[in-house]
Amino acid sequence: GEDVEQSLFLSVREGDSSVINCTYTDSSSTYLYWYKQEPGAGLQLLTYIFSNMDMKQDQRLTALLNKKDKHLSLRIADTQTGDSAIYFCAESSTSGTYKYIFGTGTRLKVLA
Amino acid sequence: ETGVTQTPRHLVMGMTNKKSLKCEQHLGHNAMYWYKQSAKKPLELMFVYSLEERVENNSVPSRFSPECPNSSHLFLHLHTLQPEDSALYLCASSQETHGTSGSNEQFFGPGTRLTVL
Repeated sequence: GEDVEQSLFLSVREGDSSVINCTYTDSSSTYLYWYKQEPGAGLQLLTYIFSNMDMKQDQRLTALLNKKDKHLSLRIADTQTGDSAIYFCAESSTSGTYKYIFGTGTRLKVLA
Repeated sequence: ETGVTQTPRHLVMGMTNKKSLKCEQHLGHNAMYWYKQSAKKPLELMFVYSLEERVENNSVPSRFSPECPNSSHLFLHLHTLQPEDSALYLCASSQETHGTSGSNEQFFGPGTRLTVL
């Protein structure tokens, strides 16, 4: 079946760039999403990228998609302590767009 | 209120209790979802509603009973739960279940942290 994989942990120093990676298996994926979850909170949509795009930038966030390798990444520039959270990658396919497949999340820790 | 709200935020219940979780979306969406988030596991989609009709039930035990009285409200009725049902229950909504145009992104509520004793 479809699968989405992420590394579990990432630590960076405040002010550095963070890169969170995600790989997926469903070749029919149309949209790929990044969500952020802070402690005790729900998932906040950060950005999404359509499968015919390579890159989407929104302020400090850049989503990069390598469709050939089925690899998605989220780059956070000038990482701040408030960026500490769990980041989830999710994908949906044309066969049922509500059927998101989520990764297990990457816990980002920003060190002051 | 804006976005997706959920009440209560925290709930502790015994295995013989009956309780309900409530979700309300103020986004004018037609689709609503219940997810279960357990530690160290991916999010599990439980139920999907489109215009108050259930379109998916992902083999969820009958001790979880959803109700969608209108497109803005979604409930999850709980009875005779087990300790392994302790988790964060997240509600989400989107414009449609099948996006004919656009990204059809899902917007999540803050969740209800459920503990079953």
